[in-house]
Amino acid sequence: DAGVTQSPTHLIKTRGQQVTLRCSPKSGHDTVSWYQQALGQGPQFIFQYYEEEERQRGNFPDRFSGHQFPNYSSELNVNALLLGDSALYLCASSFGNRGTTGYTFGSGTRLTVV
Amino acid sequence: KQEVTQIPAALSVPEGENLVLNCSFTDSAIYNLQWFRQDPGKGLTSLLLIQSSQREQTSGRLNASLDKSSGRSTLYIAASQPGDSATYLCAVRSGTNAGKSTFGDGTTLTVKP
Repeated sequence: DAGVTQSPTHLIKTRGQQVTLRCSPKSGHDTVSWYQQALGQGPQFIFQYYEEEERQRGNFPDRFSGHQFPNYSSELNVNALLLGDSALYLCASSFGNRGTTGYTFGSGTRLTVV
Repeated sequence: KQEVTQIPAALSVPEGENLVLNCSFTDSAIYNLQWFRQDPGKGLTSLLLIQSSQREQTSGRLNASLDKSSGRSTLYIAASQPGDSATYLCAVRSGTNAGKSTFGDGTTLTVKP
């Protein structure tokens, strides 16, 4: 049973550029949430996608946007990259969006902005 | 706004010792609480999920308890091993639509042989 798959694993971008990160949820899961984790800190919620719509959003600027496809996979897009966007980006999948199931996380994408 | 605190931030113990990690949260209206393990530079591995209606969950040498009224959860690790060395994070699912989990900053555990 495949878990959550994220790609790419590592990425180096220049300030001002745009980046797209991808996530395939665990089989049987239909909800995808994205988190940003800075070094030494706990993950911070970016947003959640369910039924191809953004259902909830954390305290992140509009430069962060996403999409969910009919097969439940998801993309995270970040525009106009800043040095402070350097972090580990984690995708978590779950079933339903009502908090009855726990998260399964992927291995993350390490983004470095130079 | 939910706030989650984990104490201590770091813990070093000799192999074989039993230990307790603490997680406290400010809003008791939660859906669930989940404990994770994170190895350096890696993703999060789920250890235990406790639903709001439950008091504890057990898996092998791990036992997690939940006390909503006091806003606390503990993760008990029995007979610690060097392979248990990692950062342990707790995440509390709460808020409108249960859309997100709020994480603590974790406890970094080192088990010395």
